[in-house]
Amino acid sequence: EAQVTQNPRYLITVTGKKLTVTCSQNMNHEYMSWYRQDPGLGLRQIYYSMNVEVTDKGDVPEGYKVSRKEKRNFPLILESPSPNQTSLYFCASSFGTSGTDTQYFGPGTRLTVL
Amino acid sequence: GENVEQHPSTLSVQEGDSAVIKCTYSDSASNYFPWYKQELGKRPQLIIDIRSNVGEKKDQRIAVTLNKTAKHFSLHITETQPEDSAVYFCAPSKTSYDKVIFGPGTSLSVIP
Repeated sequence: EAQVTQNPRYLITVTGKKLTVTCSQNMNHEYMSWYRQDPGLGLRQIYYSMNVEVTDKGDVPEGYKVSRKEKRNFPLILESPSPNQTSLYFCASSFGTSGTDTQYFGPGTRLTVL
Repeated sequence: GENVEQHPSTLSVQEGDSAVIKCTYSDSASNYFPWYKQELGKRPQLIIDIRSNVGEKKDQRIAVTLNKTAKHFSLHITETQPEDSAVYFCAPSKTSYDKVIFGPGTSLSVIP
């Protein structure tokens, strides 16, 4: 089944404790992206990747890191999480190398930073 | 960068009525115009999209119309049903720009 998977789905952590949220897609998509969703603010892009080893900042990259060592995986790293990073996170992938194709979203990761 | 607005921000209709949501964008070079639906507790999913060489596209009860001159496109839902209740997002983009910017969303409630 074609899909985007994320793990974990739920995570409660404490300020400063490094964490990684994994994202994987099995559709051979070029473009992958991370979004955060907060009430009243919609979906905001954190980072995106157009291909292996090519990543760039979205609109809200501060406090996050990403890597794209393999085409199928695009992990999101929070080196020192803070409470303002409490949010719902979505990974997404699409076929082309830009934002002009259908975005397929993962199920989401709900992160709480205490 | 692209400035994206949606109107209205909330919409309540009676079951069976039509609903229209408008997305206004700022970049005249935008050439891809999708609409996503997000049900409560679920992930966003594409419901319909249109490219700049087409003025209108229809899929059963859902349609999208594009006005490139005025820089807006609209989602039309006819014969609304309770399962249409969700938040709808637009995300206009262009080939030469790699970021994806979503509109703020429109919450649609269909009253049985």
